[in-house]
Amino acid sequence: GNSVTQMEGPVTLSEEAFLTINCTYTATGYPSLFWYVQYPGEGLQLLLKATKADDKGSNKGFEATYRKETTSFHLEKGSVQVSDSAVYFCALSGNAGNMLTFGGGTRLMVKP
Amino acid sequence: GAVVSQHPSWVICKSGTSVKIECRSLDFQATTMFWYRQFPKQSLMLMATSNEGSKATYEQGVEKDKFLINHASLTLSTLTVTSAHPEDSSFYICSAREGGHTEAFFGQGTRLTVV
Repeated sequence: GNSVTQMEGPVTLSEEAFLTINCTYTATGYPSLFWYVQYPGEGLQLLLKATKADDKGSNKGFEATYRKETTSFHLEKGSVQVSDSAVYFCALSGNAGNMLTFGGGTRLMVKP
Repeated sequence: GAVVSQHPSWVICKSGTSVKIECRSLDFQATTMFWYRQFPKQSLMLMATSNEGSKATYEQGVEKDKFLINHASLTLSTLTVTSAHPEDSSFYICSAREGGHTEAFFGQGTRLTVV
């Protein structure tokens, strides 16, 4: 079956530091890949997505590239802000476009 | 962008009572809706998938008689936690997807506390 593995947190960074959150997946066929962000007490918001190999999703300074050869979709941001503090979930949706399979989530804490 | 509204955002109920959570797609037709449960500091666990007009498909280990899901229209799905107990306290999140699309949009979540 499908699975998503992402680095455990918490990840603690100073403001303006570079961020990488690793995500690897196991899936049959050609899944779509997503990053969601969850702020405290809220639901999930789609941050970015990529639907095929070598696609790069980007939004709000965050980027992730769909790497089929390494089955990875690592999230990066060049300069984090305190407001980026949240939990980040990597997820995939299989060929049939059915349910999302989530990674365990990575909590990011950015200190001023 | 597509908006999914979930209500209520939080609820406290007494043990043994039932609680209904609503999930509405405001600007698109949600042919498929998903219900997730999230324990503190953990990931989302899919509970069930529902297609409009059909019975929900429950994940293994989820009691269908306890977590009643109704998806009677293309814009509304409800999750009813029947005879709630303290161990049912959790954060419940719905998501909705339009037919033919891979992207699902999430509601704000409902924090249920059973006392």
